[in-house]
Amino acid sequence: QQQVKQSPQSLIVQKGGISIINCAYENTAFDYFPWYQQFPGKGPALLIAIRPDVSEKKEGRFTISFNKSAKQFSLHIMDSQPGDSATYFCAASTDEGSSNTGKLIFGQGTTLQVKP
Amino acid sequence: DAMVIQNPRYQVTQFGKPVTLSCSQTLNHNVMYWYQQKSSQAPKLLFHYYDKDFNNEADTPDNFQSRRPNTSFCFLDIRSPGLGDAAMYLCATSLQGEHYEQYFGPGTRLTVT
Repeated sequence: QQQVKQSPQSLIVQKGGISIINCAYENTAFDYFPWYQQFPGKGPALLIAIRPDVSEKKEGRFTISFNKSAKQFSLHIMDSQPGDSATYFCAASTDEGSSNTGKLIFGQGTTLQVKP
Repeated sequence: DAMVIQNPRYQVTQFGKPVTLSCSQTLNHNVMYWYQQKSSQAPKLLFHYYDKDFNNEADTPDNFQSRRPNTSFCFLDIRSPGLGDAAMYLCATSLQGEHYEQYFGPGTRLTVT
């Protein structure tokens, strides 16, 4: 119930291509669906996030598509660049209740390599 | 620049020798998190603080403890490190109610010999 399943585990894309990473969840109580980007030796950084009442969110070359009925969401990276090579984690956030704190449930991660 | 700082960046300890990792933040966030990340895996939440309220994950080993003496600082104590505790330890912060948006430090790479 608390899992977020992410695929593929690794992805190789040519420069200028579209990178697509998919995630699925079960718990309908998740309240936000963020994507984090992590470069080697660094901590993850928030890339983009979407609420479950929105079907799509775009920020620059990065787009989240959200399908509430299918309980799936995906990250699309348009015009992929070598600098996008990193590990991407989808996540879902849960509310802990009265204290209005919560936590992230991470997917397993996708290692993206963009070839020049 | 406001940020999350972790010290040291690399820590080597001996099997069974206690070690303390530190995290400080200038974001003035009231929620702080500690994660363990092993190679090619997702970060795994160990515990988090809302102000001084401590929240332990059910599967966090007793070997791991934490202290938050004030808003800015948080410490991770590993009382008797085992070889399986070698990992990257990440500290993160967020505002109350914005737990989807966490700000991570660069991590401390722990090696156990």
